[in-house]
Amino acid sequence: NAGVMQNPRHLVRRRGQEARLRCSPMKGHSHVYWYRQLPEEGLKFMVYLQKENIIDESGMPKERFSAEFPKEGPSILRIQQVVRGDSAAYFCASSPQGVGTEAFFGQGTRLTVV
Amino acid sequence: DQQVKQNSPSLSVQEGRISILNCDYTNSMFDYFLWYKKYPAEGPTFLISISSIKDKNEDGRFTVFLNKSAKHLSLHIVPSQPGDSAVYFCAASEETGGGNKLTFGTGTQLKVEL
Repeated sequence: NAGVMQNPRHLVRRRGQEARLRCSPMKGHSHVYWYRQLPEEGLKFMVYLQKENIIDESGMPKERFSAEFPKEGPSILRIQQVVRGDSAAYFCASSPQGVGTEAFFGQGTRLTVV
Repeated sequence: DQQVKQNSPSLSVQEGRISILNCDYTNSMFDYFLWYKKYPAEGPTFLISISSIKDKNEDGRFTVFLNKSAKHLSLHIVPSQPGDSAVYFCAASEETGGGNKLTFGTGTQLKVEL
């Protein structure tokens, strides 16, 4: 049973380009969460999705960031017109159901904006 | 506003002794608490959790204690082993429509020395 799969592991983008980060949850998991870790900080919640629905996007920046979790395929975190401050590690987690179950994390995507 | 606080950025312990990592929280709505372990360039790995209806949960060498009145929890590792050297994150969640949105502390770097 494969764990949470994120790709790419490393992504380099020039300022102004778009970044697409992918996350395939564990088999049987229908809840997906995205977190961002800036250097020297803890993980910060960005968005919580279930299949085809955004449940909570209270941690998402108001502009340039979007997320989806389609009926088929992985969850996508999309960052348009990247800036240097977007450089961070982005982690995806999945869980089978709600509160009271553990969320399992992928290995993360390290985004570097040059 | 840091709702989950880990005030010790680092901790050094000798092999075989007890490691005690502390965590404080401010949001009284949190009802589920988790500890994650993280190695460099990897995603967080779930260690142990505790519901707010309990005050102790034990799993092998790991025990988590919860003091709700003090809004404090701690992770005890005994005996500590060199392989335990990692960053430990405390996380908390509240009932949010069935989701598992986690609020993380900033982490404590544990070093277990021979």
